[in-house]
Amino acid sequence: GAGVSQSPSNKVTEKGKDVELRCDPISGHTALYWYRQSLGQGLEFLIYFQGNSAPDKSGLPSDRFSAERTGGSVSTLTIQRTQQEDSAVYLCASSPRQLQETQYFGPGTRLLVL
Amino acid sequence: GQNIDQPTEMTATEGAIVQINCTYQTSGFNGLFWYQQHAGEAPTFLSYNVLDGLEEKGRFSSFLSRSKGYSYLLLKELQMKDSASYLCAVRDKGGGNKLTFGTGTQLKVEL
Repeated sequence: GAGVSQSPSNKVTEKGKDVELRCDPISGHTALYWYRQSLGQGLEFLIYFQGNSAPDKSGLPSDRFSAERTGGSVSTLTIQRTQQEDSAVYLCASSPRQLQETQYFGPGTRLLVL
Repeated sequence: GQNIDQPTEMTATEGAIVQINCTYQTSGFNGLFWYQQHAGEAPTFLSYNVLDGLEEKGRFSSFLSRSKGYSYLLLKELQMKDSASYLCAVRDKGGGNKLTFGTGTQLKVEL
């Protein structure tokens, strides 16, 4: 597509429920990144994919968070047993290759855990 | 790891010039990025510096000094639409293209 797309754009859920967030990167981009932006905070790195593998998962805040990527394209970030502190904007970015490339961001998913 | 500092907010006048500073401390440096983010929207790429010096791109310029751990974004001929958050981000030398972001500088352009 023309840019990175994410769905849903907004998600309201109850504490303890599981949520899935989807990212469609720019066609042909092999690298994909997930970030989280909490109110008043900078973007926080979560995980990055090169193809379907995730060489760096160091930013995932707990084992309730997981992500996968299939076919070298779409990625899903799953948060299990959501907590109120998970409320944030979850941003996805992609870049053509791993190194020396600008990352292009999607519009984000605004998650609110009640 | 990385530590990035930038002012929380700045105010400037339409038509003027504003400089947004960013200082960083890093265990490994492999480039510095500036992004612009309007409220409720995705960050958009503005500039990239990996070598010392000034990179100019239209009304926007970015400067880097690696020895000082310092960068600035210079915006000229300010327009109302430049009101946004400006994010400084550093890429880790460890590979993976992972970016560490500052908290952003909220710029307000006034008449």
